[in-house]
Amino acid sequence: ETGVTQTPRHLVMGMTNKKSLKCEQHLGHNAMYWYKQSAKKPLELMFVYNFKEQTENNSVPSRFSPECPNSSHLFLHLHTLQPEDSALYLCASSQDFRDVIAQYFGPGTRLTVL
Amino acid sequence: KQEVTQIPAALSVPEGENLVLNCSFTDSAIYNLQWFRQDPGKGLTSLLLIQSSQREQTSGRLNASLDKSSGRSTLYIAASQPGDSATYLCAVGGSRLTFGEGTQLTVNP
Repeated sequence: ETGVTQTPRHLVMGMTNKKSLKCEQHLGHNAMYWYKQSAKKPLELMFVYNFKEQTENNSVPSRFSPECPNSSHLFLHLHTLQPEDSALYLCASSQDFRDVIAQYFGPGTRLTVL
Repeated sequence: KQEVTQIPAALSVPEGENLVLNCSFTDSAIYNLQWFRQDPGKGLTSLLLIQSSQREQTSGRLNASLDKSSGRSTLYIAASQPGDSATYLCAVGGSRLTFGEGTQLTVNP
């Protein structure tokens, strides 16, 4: 149990659908992250939030829209995705994005775009 | 731009063998280095975190070393077991982690 939960665990959607991924951390951390893990590629950082403020957008297409209503919750809103967006989306948290402290990862959402 | 390389990409060993996984990085100005384990279709579990001022960390049968000057880290697994089968990921940085592609380890009974 890492203290970071993600829902849903699996999602299949069409290119015209709108869906959202949810991440919740129970660790009292202030920084949260979205990563994308595609087959045969290293994890790619997508977004960073610190104290609910977005501090990094790693050139992510606008069809991915993050939302961080509070330090414990992070969403990734999806719309008009492409088949190449199919991947494992991982959420992580850490005490503070400036601290040299380990990040804790959730189990991920396996997304398939048809 | 930081680049992280892990060698080998895949490794298959018999149970009981001691083994070494390698990680190299291009920019030695790092805050820390983490080794993670990932089981198929699952998230990442942090195994060891080495701060930039440290040379190694140990946890049970795992030992990780860090040589910043040469841009290298190794993960040593002693007396490997079938339950160690997973993908092992190396990540360097601080708040912004740069990951390698991983080493897929299979330990055969």
